[in-house]
Amino acid sequence: GDSVTQTEGQVALSEEDFLTIHCNYSASGYPALFWYVQYPGEGPQFLFRASRDKEKGSSRGFEATYDKGTTSFHLRKASVQESDSAVYYCALGDQGSALGRLHFGAGTQLIVIP
Amino acid sequence: DAGVTQTPRHEVAEKGQTIILKCEPVSGHNDLFWYRQTKIQGLELLSYFRSKSLMEDGGAFKDRFKAEMLNSSFSTLKIQPTEPKDSAVYLCASSWTDYAEQFFGPGTRLTVL
Repeated sequence: GDSVTQTEGQVALSEEDFLTIHCNYSASGYPALFWYVQYPGEGPQFLFRASRDKEKGSSRGFEATYDKGTTSFHLRKASVQESDSAVYYCALGDQGSALGRLHFGAGTQLIVIP
Repeated sequence: DAGVTQTPRHEVAEKGQTIILKCEPVSGHNDLFWYRQTKIQGLELLSYFRSKSLMEDGGAFKDRFKAEMLNSSFSTLKIQPTEPKDSAVYLCASSWTDYAEQFFGPGTRLTVL
């Protein structure tokens, strides 16, 4: 079945460091890819999505590029701030299916030290 | 626009009790999802409705979990009977169409003693 793998369970950085959170996917069809962010005590919030190969999604300084060749959608940010501390989820949805459900990765907790 | 509303925010139940969690999706959204979130399992899909019709019912959760959409603006998740392993955060989300952004509620934290 379709699945998403996030390699890092936790990432700890200092403010102004460069962030990369890895996301790889496995899908039988041609998926749409998403990033969500979850702050303590809240539900996940949509960051952005990408629907086709080489498309870049971005929001709030975060970005990721859909790479069909490497089946990846890595999240990057040039300079993190303490307020970016949260859990980040990569997700995919099968665009060829009649169902609108998403498959979420396990999540990566980002800790930014001031 | 109001976001997704979930009540209660916290629930404490004794083992064997029946509890009902409530969700009001964003007005006009066609898809509604119930998830369970734990540190170990992450986000697990419990149920998925489209225009009030049940599209997917998480297989592992069928025996004691029942989600319903009474109308397009209200859904419930019943757990009967509750067990300590059901302690988790239950999230409701809605979206207007396929693969559109899912809007999540703040969740209900359930503790089963």
